[in-house]
Amino acid sequence: KQEVTQIPAALSVPEGENLVLNCSFTDSAIYNLQWFRQDPGKGLTSLLLIQSSQREQTSGRLNASLDKSSGRSTLYIAASQPGDSATYLCAVRGQAGTALIFGKGTTLSVSS
Amino acid sequence: EPEVTQTPSHQVTQMGQEVILRCVPISNHLYFYWYRQILGQKVEFLVSFYNNEISEKSEIFDDQFSVERPDGSNFTLKIRSTKLEDSAMYFCASSGRLAGGPRETQYFGPGTRLLVL
Repeated sequence: KQEVTQIPAALSVPEGENLVLNCSFTDSAIYNLQWFRQDPGKGLTSLLLIQSSQREQTSGRLNASLDKSSGRSTLYIAASQPGDSATYLCAVRGQAGTALIFGKGTTLSVSS
Repeated sequence: EPEVTQTPSHQVTQMGQEVILRCVPISNHLYFYWYRQILGQKVEFLVSFYNNEISEKSEIFDDQFSVERPDGSNFTLKIRSTKLEDSAMYFCASSGRLAGGPRETQYFGPGTRLLVL
């Protein structure tokens, strides 16, 4: 059964810092991996999707990498801003199904 | 930009009552999903729906749950007899503008917060 773990659970950084959020999954037979942002009490906003054949995806200040063989993904946020404060969720989709399996998330706080 | 919408945003119900949560997926998407998030816990998959039938469901999605696409735009989740443990945020999602593309980006709605008393 696929398990997704995100470390750290919470992170506080000063504005302007570059940071890395980690995601690991137990079954490397994934189809793709998706990173989301969730603001308190709100829905999920898709940030990046990485297909299993890809190594990384970039969108603005965000860069996500995938190492399928080791079961790891990282989300790199450059030059963090207070508006980046949110919970970041990692989710993987298995090769056989359509369901996304989520991690519990990393709650990021960026202070000005 | 097209988005998934959900109604109501909040619903309070008594234990044992039936509730229907409504979603309007992104136009032209072919795959629809329901997830839930109990407070403080992970987002959990409930069910996926394609071509007017369930394509995958989790252990959570038991006989108390059902889904329907009653018309060309709405996608609903019905809980027949709510229990206290059904209290959660329920998210609808959609994906796949192309047939055979269920594994594209899933776009989530804002959620319905369900409270069962």
